[in-house]
Amino acid sequence: GNSVTQMEGPVTLSEEAFLTINCTYTATGYPSLFWYVQYPGEGLQLLLKATKADDKGSNKGFEATYRKETTSFHLEKGSVQVSDSAVYFCALYGNKLVFGAGTILRVKS
Amino acid sequence: EAGVAQSPRYKIIEKRQSVAFWCNPISGHATLYWYQQILGQGPKLLIQFQNNGVVDDSQLPKDRFSAERLKGVDSTLKIQPAKLEDSAVYLCASSPLEGQGLSGTQYFGPGTRLLVL
Repeated sequence: GNSVTQMEGPVTLSEEAFLTINCTYTATGYPSLFWYVQYPGEGLQLLLKATKADDKGSNKGFEATYRKETTSFHLEKGSVQVSDSAVYFCALYGNKLVFGAGTILRVKS
Repeated sequence: EAGVAQSPRYKIIEKRQSVAFWCNPISGHATLYWYQQILGQGPKLLIQFQNNGVVDDSQLPKDRFSAERLKGVDSTLKIQPAKLEDSAVYLCASSPLEGQGLSGTQYFGPGTRLLVL
């Protein structure tokens, strides 16, 4: 079945550092790929998505590129802020959303 | 636009008791989902409704879990009897009608945190 693997956390960075959270997937067919974020005390919300190979999703300074050849969708941000502290979930959609286990990001000032 | 509403936010029960969770999706969203999120794991789909019909309940433990979506709007998820391993956050999500180019884009409620003792 479809599955998503993402890097374990927590990831702790200083403000303005570069962020990468790795995500790889296993799927049949051509799924859409997503990053969802969960801020403390809030529900999951969509951060960005890509629907086909080589598409780049971007939002709020975050980016991820759908790499079919490496089955990856790594999340990147050039300069993180304290307000980016949250749990980040990589997910794929074939006929339903399948989530990774989540990566906790902590940004220190 | 009001988001997905869920209640209660927290619930503590003894094992073998029953519990029910309520969800009100975003107005006009035809599709409603219930997920279970165990600590340290990503959300897992329990059941998906389109309007008031079940689309996917393949991962719903039907011996103890039940869900309904009367009139295609609000939904209730029930556990009876609860087990210790049911301790988790139960998330409700909604989306516009599938096939409108938004598959996978779902809007989540804040969740109900359940602790079974």
